[in-house]
Amino acid sequence: AQSVTQLDSHVSVSEGTPVLLRCNYSSSYSPSLFWYVQHPNKGLQLLLKYTSAATLVKGINGFEAEFKKSETSFHLTKPSAHMSDAAEYFCVVSDRKTGGSYIPTFGRGTSLIVHP
Amino acid sequence: GAGVSQSPSNKVTEKGKDVELRCDPISGHTALYWYRQSLGQGLEFLIYFQGNSAPDKSGLPSDRFSAERTGGSVSTLTIQRTQQEDSAVYLCASGAGRSNEQFFGPGTRLTVL
Repeated sequence: AQSVTQLDSHVSVSEGTPVLLRCNYSSSYSPSLFWYVQHPNKGLQLLLKYTSAATLVKGINGFEAEFKKSETSFHLTKPSAHMSDAAEYFCVVSDRKTGGSYIPTFGRGTSLIVHP
Repeated sequence: GAGVSQSPSNKVTEKGKDVELRCDPISGHTALYWYRQSLGQGLEFLIYFQGNSAPDKSGLPSDRFSAERTGGSVSTLTIQRTQQEDSAVYLCASGAGRSNEQFFGPGTRLTVL
């Protein structure tokens, strides 16, 4: 079984300050982990993914995430927030279900608010 | 190249009517997913197609929901006898299979009056 918990429903930061969006997961196998971003009235876009290679993953727009197996975490960070980063962020875990299918499980989302 | 497309972009229907939502995946992608996103909620998995295998229907909320994928490409999600609680954005995603990245369409916003 797999699950994902996004620890904060809302995160508010000032422009130019660091961003931390927290995600914990559980998985029976070696999971793949993803972060997606959804801007208002837009589709979901992949930010970055972890698939058992390097534990520190760099994504688009300056975001990165670190896979920590001992902590079952995959937190998303960015050194300096921009106004354009304001959006909904989803952490996703995917492993192999019984029967061989890969059904991703999405977290409930974290809304990032960036103040000028 | 073309991304995932969905039609219609918006659909307003009356309670009790049937609706069909269409998804055109990226050419060559073997995996296709349908999700439902209600206001302020995360994504709820509905159904997954992978190549010629039997679809994983474990997320369909009731027997009023069904989906087909013809020729391994276009998919149609059908909701029969719509209810107001079916109002949501229905998202389609395709992928190269297994645990790879999913590419999402823009969604269909369904409103049931």
